[in-house]
Amino acid sequence: NAGVTQTPKFQVLKTGQSMTLQCAQDMNHEYMSWYRQDPGMGLRLIHYSVGAGITDQGEVPNGYNVSRSTTEDFPLRLLSAAPSQTSVYFCASRRSQGSYEQYFGPGTRLTVT
Amino acid sequence: AQSVTQPDIHITVSEGASLELRCNYSYGATPYLFWYVQSPGQGLQLLLKYFSGDTLVQGIKGFEAEFKRSQSSFNLRKPSVHWSDAAEYFCAVGAGGQNFVFGPGTRLSVLP
Repeated sequence: NAGVTQTPKFQVLKTGQSMTLQCAQDMNHEYMSWYRQDPGMGLRLIHYSVGAGITDQGEVPNGYNVSRSTTEDFPLRLLSAAPSQTSVYFCASRRSQGSYEQYFGPGTRLTVT
Repeated sequence: AQSVTQPDIHITVSEGASLELRCNYSYGATPYLFWYVQSPGQGLQLLLKYFSGDTLVQGIKGFEAEFKRSQSSFNLRKPSVHWSDAAEYFCAVGAGGQNFVFGPGTRLSVLP
């Protein structure tokens, strides 16, 4: 199993550009989520999905969109990048909403200039 | 609302010394508690978890943590630190449904 994979590892965007961060898992997990990590703030939940076709907002959803067309994939879209979105983004999955064992991807470091 | 505090932003210990990283949480019910470790440039790896039962839990890499309900704490310990333990450590609370709350992290440096 590859676990949770994320691409790209690094990305630099200009303000106003859009892009999609990819996340995939091969563990047949129902639940997937996106976090952003900023210094001194731990991880904050952006969006999550409890299964294919179902998504919802987390703590910091503004400026991001998600979709979940398959169990495996959970892409995060930045609609119009802003410097405040400079961060490290982690995708995570777990077996179900009631399971608390999360598996994290290696992260994507995004810089918006 | 749930919250997690890690009072120490940065701790430095000598290799072979003992380690204790502090974690306090605020949550109305019995929480699910976790410690994760993040090596530089890497994702988060689960060290250990507490759901119920014995309040002293053992994890990977020789770490353990003790849940103290009266103090709302879940401190991480290791009796003898190795240079490879240098990393950032996050305490987290699983607070029902999709809700995970992470602490701000404690960076551990290890002196040779």
